Amino acid sequence: ETGVTQSPTHLIKTRGQQVTLRCSSQSGHNTVSWYQQALGQGPQFIFQYYREEENGRGNFPPRFSGLQFPNYSSELNVNALELDDSALYLCASREGTEAFFGQGTRLTVV
Amino acid sequence: TQLLEQSPQFLSIQEGENLTVYCNSSSVFSSLQWYRQEPGEGPVLLVTVVTGGEVKKLKRLTFQFGDARKDSSLHITAAQPGDTGLYLCAGANIGSGTYKYIFGTGTRLKVLA
Repeated sequence: ETGVTQSPTHLIKTRGQQVTLRCSSQSGHNTVSWYQQALGQGPQFIFQYYREEENGRGNFPPRFSGLQFPNYSSELNVNALELDDSALYLCASREGTEAFFGQGTRLTVV
Repeated sequence: TQLLEQSPQFLSIQEGENLTVYCNSSSVFSSLQWYRQEPGEGPVLLVTVVTGGEVKKLKRLTFQFGDARKDSSLHITAAQPGDTGLYLCAGANIGSGTYKYIFGTGTRLKVLA
């Protein structure tokens, strides 16, 4: 049990739609990062937020955006969904060098 | 682009055997973590190594960080079926005030009873 919870656990969307995924961070952790994990691959870093500001980003287009709130919970928004966006989306809260992951949201785009 | 290559990609062994998984990069990392992930779950942190040459032991698992902080290894002694899973290394770097966290390609381990 990592103390990081994500919602929803599963989601089906249609190509072109928008989606918002949510993450509740472990208490006291002021850093949250998001990852995309395609089937059979390792997680790919999307971006990280520290105290409500984005302070790191991987190779993802601008239609992937995020927010971090004062209570350190976070959202990942994806606009204009594409079929290739189907994946497990993971968030992780971090204090120092260690990251603790939620169970993920399985997004299917049809 | 920073990359973390893991080898082997797949490994199937008998219970009781020993194994080593490697994580290699041409880049230097400020820290490196090892995770294990079960299907449909998020990765679970096993260990963090920070200092070049550092060795950490977690029961039957031994983790080593390379002297140059570019590579790492995970050695499992007397593997058990419960060790089955996807093993991931991940390296952290902070440059120009921004943070990046790179995962390795993963090693899928299956331990047969």
